[in-house]
Amino acid sequence: NAGVTQTPKFQVLKTGQSMTLQCAQDMNHEYMSWYRQDPGMGLRLIHYSVGAGITDQGEVPNGYNVSRSTTEDFPLRLLSAAPSQTSVYFCASSADGNSGNTIYFGEGSWLTVV
Amino acid sequence: DQQVKQNSPSLSVQEGRISILNCDYTNSMFDYFLWYKKYPAEGPTFLISISSIKDKNEDGRFTVFLNKSAKHLSLHIVPSQPGDSAVYFCAASAQWNNDMRFGAGTRLTVKP
Repeated sequence: NAGVTQTPKFQVLKTGQSMTLQCAQDMNHEYMSWYRQDPGMGLRLIHYSVGAGITDQGEVPNGYNVSRSTTEDFPLRLLSAAPSQTSVYFCASSADGNSGNTIYFGEGSWLTVV
Repeated sequence: DQQVKQNSPSLSVQEGRISILNCDYTNSMFDYFLWYKKYPAEGPTFLISISSIKDKNEDGRFTVFLNKSAKHLSLHIVPSQPGDSAVYFCAASAQWNNDMRFGAGTRLTVKP
């Protein structure tokens, strides 16, 4: 019963490097999203997708790209890492994006940019 | 702007007593509210929810109360258990809206 799987769990990047955080879900959920968690800020929505081929920006999208080529996968790309992107990243999915549907989260990816 | 606020970063209660976690919101369009629980090094897990047509929802030891006029909701845990020690996030969304907003979280510690 995998649910939402994120990799890597920990990553250290140098400023200016690029990387991709992987996310996969096996629940056939249409809606997937990426959040970042920072101290005193709660969880903030970066990007989301309501289905394969469809993505949209959330609250804090700058510096990140996403794509949704399949229902299962929703990778998050950091184009040129900055220290301000040091954070814990959570991928999430739900049956659809409408209120009333429970969102399931992955275990998190700890990213440090030096 | 933080549309969902949890003003108490931490709360400590004795085992067996009631834990009350509070949450305030500013967006009157929010009509669905959720509480998530998070243990260290794990992702948040869904705990309980309430829609704006209700003012109370109960699930075992957990009850969520919604006061729409005050834009305030609270989570009651009775009786509190040491295993309830975690960070609790309040979240809110508007119907048909994919943008769920979270509070900053309250760290609950239940002492044996």
